[in-house]
Parts: sequence; C-alpha cells; structure tokens
Amino acid sequence: DTGVSQDPRHKITKRGQNVTFRCDPISEHNRLYWYRQTLGQGPEFLTYFQNEAQLEKSRLLSDRFSAERPKGSFSTLEIQRTEQGDSAMYLCASSPPLLGGDGYTFGSGTRLTVV
Amino acid sequence: AQSVTQLDSQVPVFEEAPVELRCNYSSSVSVYLFWYVQYPNQGLQLLLKYLSGSTLVESINGFEAEFNKSQTSFHLRKPSVHISDTAEYFCAVSGGNKLVFGAGTILRVKS
Repeated sequence: DTGVSQDPRHKITKRGQNVTFRCDPISEHNRLYWYRQTLGQGPEFLTYFQNEAQLEKSRLLSDRFSAERPKGSFSTLEIQRTEQGDSAMYLCASSPPLLGGDGYTFGSGTRLTVV
Repeated sequence: AQSVTQLDSQVPVFEEAPVELRCNYSSSVSVYLFWYVQYPNQGLQLLLKYLSGSTLVESINGFEAEFNKSQTSFHLRKPSVHISDTAEYFCAVSGGNKLVFGAGTILRVKS
C-alpha cells in the first residue's frame, strides 16, 4: 500500500465554478477524514466517515460543500460555486478502526486556488 | 471538546542548539497526542505520538516529547537541531474520533 493518495495535487478554478477532489485512503483503514488548511493555520476538521457513513460534519462545511464515500473506499469532496475564501489546502487522512500503529495517515493534499 | 494551544508561532534557533516547541491541550476525556511535521507544499508527516504507556516518546530522528497529564502539556524537544529540521510543526489531540490541531510552530534553524 502506498499510503493516502489525493488527486489532483493542485487546482486553479474561477470563482463560481464547481470543483471535486478525490481521496484514496489506506485500504485497511475504515475511517476517512477531510481537513482544510489555510496559510498560517493548523488544519481544520471538515468531516469524517466510518466506512460509507458520514458521522460528523463541522460547521465550517457550508451548504456548498458535500463529501461522499459511496462504497466505503475512496471519497470525494465537492465544492459548488467556489469563492475566493475557499482557497486552501484540502487534506485527507485515514485511520484504522482501533487507533494503533501510526494512527492518522495524511495525504499530500490538494491545493485549491480560486481566482 | 478538545483544543490545542501552541505557545510560539515561530522559533528561531542556531544549528546544533537545543530546542523546545511548546504544546498545551484541553480535553474533558482521555486523549491521544501527536506531533506532525510539514515541509513546504507537502502534507503532514507523523513525527511521534502518545497513545498509552510510557509518557516519554521518541522519534527516529532525535525528537522526543513528554506527556504531562497534570500540566496538560506535550512539549516537543530536540537536544541538537539540524538545518534539515526547518519546517512547521503541529501538535494535535484526539479524543478518539478526530484530530484537533494547534496553529503550528515554524522552526527556523540557522547556520
């Protein structure tokens, strides 16, 4: 297993467009998380899945944001009608059912720039 | 709910000097504690973690952190830093469901 993969690495979009990011977690990890990181800040929790169930969503996740994990494997994060304030690094992480080993493993992130 | 405070936003230090990056947390439940390192334009890499057992944990590249329950701290230390340690360091706490991060400390190692 090569770890957590995120695609694309970079995305530049015009304000008002929709964007979708993909995350492929470590195969034996049943938990998957999305975080957002802006310049000079620590990552902020957006949402998490256990298998295909979305168990928690942050208040940061406005109506324009939606995340899915349809078969309990990969996940997508969609942002509709992007705004300049959505520019950030979007990080995905996964963890096993019992928090042992390395715990949470992060992908390299998708950097979104809204122009 | 958990929260993390990293007391220094930037720490400049000369090469081969010791360094301490401070982290305090608050939580109403038992926690797991982590330090992650982030190099420019990269994701987060786990540096070390406290899950249970010995309160002193070490990384393979010479960092160590001590879990102090009474002071609710998990400070990161290294006795002698290298230029390659220049990066941003994040302390994080988990009550079991998700990680909550501090704002980060930029470690700048000068020659």
